[in-house]
Amino acid sequence: SQQGEEDPQALSIQEGENATMNCSYKTSINNLQWYRQNSGRGLVHLILIRSNEREKHSGRLRVTLDTSKKSSSLLITASRAADTASYFCATASLFLTGANSKLTFGKGITLSVRP
Amino acid sequence: DVKVTQSSRYLVKRTGEKVFLECVQDMDHENMFWYRQDPGLGLRLIYFSYDVKMKEKGDIPEGYSVSREKKERFSLILESASTNQTSMYLCASSSGTSDYEQYFGPGTRLTVT
Repeated sequence: SQQGEEDPQALSIQEGENATMNCSYKTSINNLQWYRQNSGRGLVHLILIRSNEREKHSGRLRVTLDTSKKSSSLLITASRAADTASYFCATASLFLTGANSKLTFGKGITLSVRP
Repeated sequence: DVKVTQSSRYLVKRTGEKVFLECVQDMDHENMFWYRQDPGLGLRLIYFSYDVKMKEKGDIPEGYSVSREKKERFSLILESASTNQTSMYLCASSSGTSDYEQYFGPGTRLTVT
């Protein structure tokens, strides 16, 4: 079952602009993660935010988490053509153990950055 | 750096064949996962394993089985391949003592004809 729902499904921006992607989820979580996937390749982990955190930064990435609204956003600042990829949010169960270690992924957002 | 490798990038098999997809990770991770990815459907979990010889069904286990005899290796088996199993298959692993972020292999694009 899909828990994370990303919005929008597709986003096209000009190089240098900021890209904002949103994710909503339904149940309580331990953490929320964002991944990137270049065409035809595996996913790459970008950033993780725990349920007791509100904002995190990593380079040009900024992620926020609002547990009261069950939503997260990923901001990519000063986008580059190389940021063109699909982006997925994934949630980890509140009761995170080995036997319960699976993540639930959304369907992804396709980001196109025009040179 | 964590490295997850998959046995093939591209694979073409015939309907009814038994297919083995192999995944190996080199970071001593406890957890390993198999997903399939199809356009418009996102990633769907087939099976995962949180320890050697342990396996748990994911969202779409039908038509698949798995084997984990060694900690570093997790195999996905299609007992009798069918055309609706044509897909991209992704393997991932995660540590059992962190935030459980997953590290993915490059994927195997399987075509069943």
